[in-house]
Amino acid sequence: QVQLVQSGSELKNPGASVKVSCKASGYIFTTYAVTWVRQAPGQGLEWMGWVNTDTGNPTYAQGFTGRFVFSLDTSVSTAYLQINNLKAEDTAVYYCARAFSPDQWLDFDYWGQGTLVTVSS
Amino acid sequence: QSALTQPPSASGSPGQSVTISCAGTSSAVRGYSYVSWYQQHPGKAPKLMIYEVNKRPSGVPDRFSGSKSGNTASLTVSGLQAEDEADYYCSSYAGSHNLLFGGGTKLTVL
Repeated sequence: QVQLVQSGSELKNPGASVKVSCKASGYIFTTYAVTWVRQAPGQGLEWMGWVNTDTGNPTYAQGFTGRFVFSLDTSVSTAYLQINNLKAEDTAVYYCARAFSPDQWLDFDYWGQGTLVTVSS
Repeated sequence: QSALTQPPSASGSPGQSVTISCAGTSSAVRGYSYVSWYQQHPGKAPKLMIYEVNKRPSGVPDRFSGSKSGNTASLTVSGLQAEDEADYYCSSYAGSHNLLFGGGTKLTVL
């Protein structure tokens, strides 16, 4: 069965970096796009962008350029989200999700369990 | 870009129907047929309930339906059940490789 399993919670100091992993199983990883979504405590969902798992090409949403980096390791069917120069406002749960169909990236049927990143000194 | 606009809350009694709206911008919702709805229970990941305005993924009850008119999309939940109590989010393609989410609606089953 399809599964996306994310890495565990992280506690980081302001200015540090964090790398969240999202390991896919149960399907051919390079067939479906992966997206990243942020949810701050008590807030709604915020789309961060998506990565073409076939080409590796990332697309970042407004507000997620510069400090945010999407990457892949297709040999282990894993997508990564790296956040550099962490700020307190980056404290949130970060979700990865798989595109619903192979030919688009606009809706997402399988989600990781979420990774809580806490930024605090 | 601003998020899509949803009412913060909605409610209904078991067995009733409730409709949640999602108002878009000049491009989002009105301009594309890529509107989705997600259900999220507390502490859980979102679940896809509706895609491409009115299509249901396999396994989603037909009590859930979607529609769109102009720049407003809607999710209707018929025959409300206790387990439908959750947060609901709409999303829409907004052009230029951009996707927007709504602010979310908390559905309470009275």
